[in-house]
Amino acid sequence: GQQVMQIPQYQHVQEGEDFTTYCNSSTTLSNIQWYKQRPGGHPVFLIQLVKSGEVKKQKRLTFQFGEAKKNSSLHITATQTTDVGTYFCAGWKRDSNYQLIWGAGTKLIIKP
Amino acid sequence: DTAVSQTPKYLVTQMGNDKSIKCEQNLGHDTMYWYKQDSKKFLKIMFSYNNKELIINETVPNRFSPKSPDKAHLNLHINSLELGDSAVYFCASSQLLFSYEQYFGPGTRLTVT
Repeated sequence: GQQVMQIPQYQHVQEGEDFTTYCNSSTTLSNIQWYKQRPGGHPVFLIQLVKSGEVKKQKRLTFQFGEAKKNSSLHITATQTTDVGTYFCAGWKRDSNYQLIWGAGTKLIIKP
Repeated sequence: DTAVSQTPKYLVTQMGNDKSIKCEQNLGHDTMYWYKQDSKKFLKIMFSYNNKELIINETVPNRFSPKSPDKAHLNLHINSLELGDSAVYFCASSQLLFSYEQYFGPGTRLTVT
């Protein structure tokens, strides 16, 4: 079936180091969304990317959508303890019906 | 004001029982969703309703039945609960289907013993 592979599953970083998570789809996506879920919380929308090659920034977070609209990445510069959580990508695909395909998430753990 | 609310927050029940989870959104959105998040934190979309019409119906056991009495409410009824149904269930809503951000409720932690 159609999937969105998200890697890595976990990433341990020292505070101040950078973090990146990647999503790769087996098929072309109409758009991709990113969500953050804090421990014990619910997913919270971060951003949506629609255009091929799109790059968006939110302070220390940089989001990219690949030229083929099959892959995406989230990069956090100089991580802080408030960045702890699991980051999910979710891709929408529309052909004869609607499909929303979620990545498995990348858990960001900050080492003290 | 809570945008998307779910009740109950916790639900502990025995195998074989029937239970319901309720969801309400006060955002005026047309689309609502149910998700299951298992112990490995994988988010699986189960259903989506757009203006009370079932749009997305992923492969879930037919013991799960969603009901949308109006576009602000989407309830989830589960029959004959099984151990594998233990998970956190999230309700979410979005303005419209497709390409709109989703607002998630706080989740209902279901434990089947």
